Amino acid sequence: NAGVTQTPKFQVLKTGQSMTLQCAQDMNHEYMSWYRQDPGMGLRLIHYSVGAGITDQGEVPNGYNVSRSTTEDFPLRLLSAAPSQTSVYFCASSDGDGFSNQPQHFGDGTRLSIL
Amino acid sequence: GNSVTQMEGPVTLSEEAFLTINCTYTATGYPSLFWYVQYPGEGLQLLLKATKADDKGSNKGFEATYRKETTSFHLEKGSVQVSDSAVYFCALSDQGGGSYIPTFGRGTSLIVHP
Repeated sequence: NAGVTQTPKFQVLKTGQSMTLQCAQDMNHEYMSWYRQDPGMGLRLIHYSVGAGITDQGEVPNGYNVSRSTTEDFPLRLLSAAPSQTSVYFCASSDGDGFSNQPQHFGDGTRLSIL
Repeated sequence: GNSVTQMEGPVTLSEEAFLTINCTYTATGYPSLFWYVQYPGEGLQLLLKATKADDKGSNKGFEATYRKETTSFHLEKGSVQVSDSAVYFCALSDQGGGSYIPTFGRGTSLIVHP
């Protein structure tokens, strides 16, 4: 019973590099989302998806891309890393349950540092 | 727009003490309200929820009542344990306002001493 799995757990990048944060869930949830968590702040929504082939922007989408080719996977791409993107990133899923994309299950996070 | 305000932490208590973490909100529609808990090094876990006024959400000894008149959703527990030490987040989901973006508070750190 894996739930939501994120990889990698830690990553250090140089400014300008690109990378993909992986997220997979095995609960057949339609709703998936990406958040970033910064010190002293709540979670902020980057992008979300209400099903395979459908994605939309959240609160802070600039500098990030997503795709949803399958129900299980929802990768987050950093196009050209900037120090302001240093953060902890969480992937989350939900079965809807009347609350749309209010997250129910979170991964353990990816701690990303941009030098 | 929507917002969630939580009391500043850290909240430091002795084991078996009574816990209250305050949460107030503003919303354009009729939100559902949530509490999450985050243990060190982990993602958030949904702790409890309430979908309409006067609903009480409860789980693992924690409870919170949706108070529309005071726009509040305070988290309470009668007797805390060391294992309750974590960061607690209040959140709302306001689909009635046309937004599919959940709103989270900044989190309140709870430290429980033996």
